[in-house]
Order: sequence, then structure tokens, then C-alpha cells
Amino acid sequence: SQTIHQWPATLVQPVGSPLSLECTVEGTSNPNLYWYRQAAGRGLQLLFYSVGIGQISSEVPQNLSASRPQDRQFILSSKKLLLSDSGFYLCAWSRILGTDTQYFGPGTRLTVL
Amino acid sequence: KNEVEQSPQNLTAQEGEFITINCSYSVGISALHWLQQHPGGGIVSLFMLSSGKKKHGRLIATINIQEKHSSLHITASHPRDSAVYICAAYNNNDMRFGAGTRLTVKP
Repeated sequence: SQTIHQWPATLVQPVGSPLSLECTVEGTSNPNLYWYRQAAGRGLQLLFYSVGIGQISSEVPQNLSASRPQDRQFILSSKKLLLSDSGFYLCAWSRILGTDTQYFGPGTRLTVL
Repeated sequence: KNEVEQSPQNLTAQEGEFITINCSYSVGISALHWLQQHPGGGIVSLFMLSSGKKKHGRLIATINIQEKHSSLHITASHPRDSAVYICAAYNNNDMRFGAGTRLTVKP
């Protein structure tokens, strides 16, 4: 069976510090991978998606970046965090891009102070 | 106006009641997703629809492509159904989310 892991579960970081959130998927190959953010009091927002190793598409301009160094690994990064980066970050995967069930990870709650 | 609108924002029901949550969208879609977010934040995908109707247990999702409208129904609601229900419209590699409907089912 497939599982999706995210870490860390919670993170408190000062403004201006770097960020690295990791997502890994087990039990499937060549998944489509997604990063979402849910800011406090706001809806979900698609940040990045990836259809394969090294292939990243960005949905919104921001100071975040994503990388996919391995087939089942998806990393969300920032060189300098902003207060507005606080939120709940979710990774997800699907077999088909967009028109298929998405399976979500447990999420990382990021607080930038 | 948001591209994906949900109603109601909040819904309180008594256990056993029939629940309907509505989602209207103004964009073209390839698929419409219904998600359930539990109080701890975890999200579960309930349905992915491109036409017609799907049923899973006590949950039913319908979509009317012409009217750009989808509904999520819960029959015989239970307190464990309490969660935020989110619809999302997918098209052309983009996903747009509704603000969510917070459902509370009281015993």
C-alpha cells in the first residue's frame, strides 16, 4: 500500500531563516506530487506540482521553491522566510495529474516569528 | 468573486440529519474534487467527479457540468462527520479551492 510522509510535523522559525520541508511517498512509482499551503483563516492554495524528477511547475510567485531530487521525494524550500509564509503545508500525490484521487500527507504546521 | 464558492460556510446539524453542501464554480473544469479536513488538519480525498454522481457509504457527490454546480450529501449524519468539507476545481494543471464548509454534527 502507498503511504506519504512529511516532516517535520511542526516548525517554528524566525523571519529571515531558511526552510526545508520534506515529503516522501512509498509504495508507488512516478507519482505526481503537489505542495499546498493553507494560511490561517484562508483556503488551500496549490503552490507547486511535479510530474517527474527535476520537473517543477509553480502556480504562484513567492519566495518559496520546490525540488524533486528523487522520484518519490519532494522538497519545499525558502532561503529567507517571511511572516506571511506561516501556515499549514500539505504534500500530496496522485497517479494522474489533477483528474485522479489525491492522497495527502499529515502536513507541517509552520509558524514564522 | 471567488472562482469556487461554497455554501453554507458553517453548518450545524443533529445526528441523523441529511446534509447538503453546495459548490459553484465559474471556471472550466476537468474534474471537481471533494475533500474532508479533520480538526487536526489532515485531509482525505472523498470524491473526484467529472460528471454525474458518485456514492461511497453515506456520502454522495453530484455534479451538473452545465450549471457548474456540485453537491455533497451526507445521509444519516453522525458526530464523526464533523469536519471541514472543501471542494476544488481542477483544470489545465491548476486547482482552485473553495473556502470550505465547517460541519458540526451534534449527538
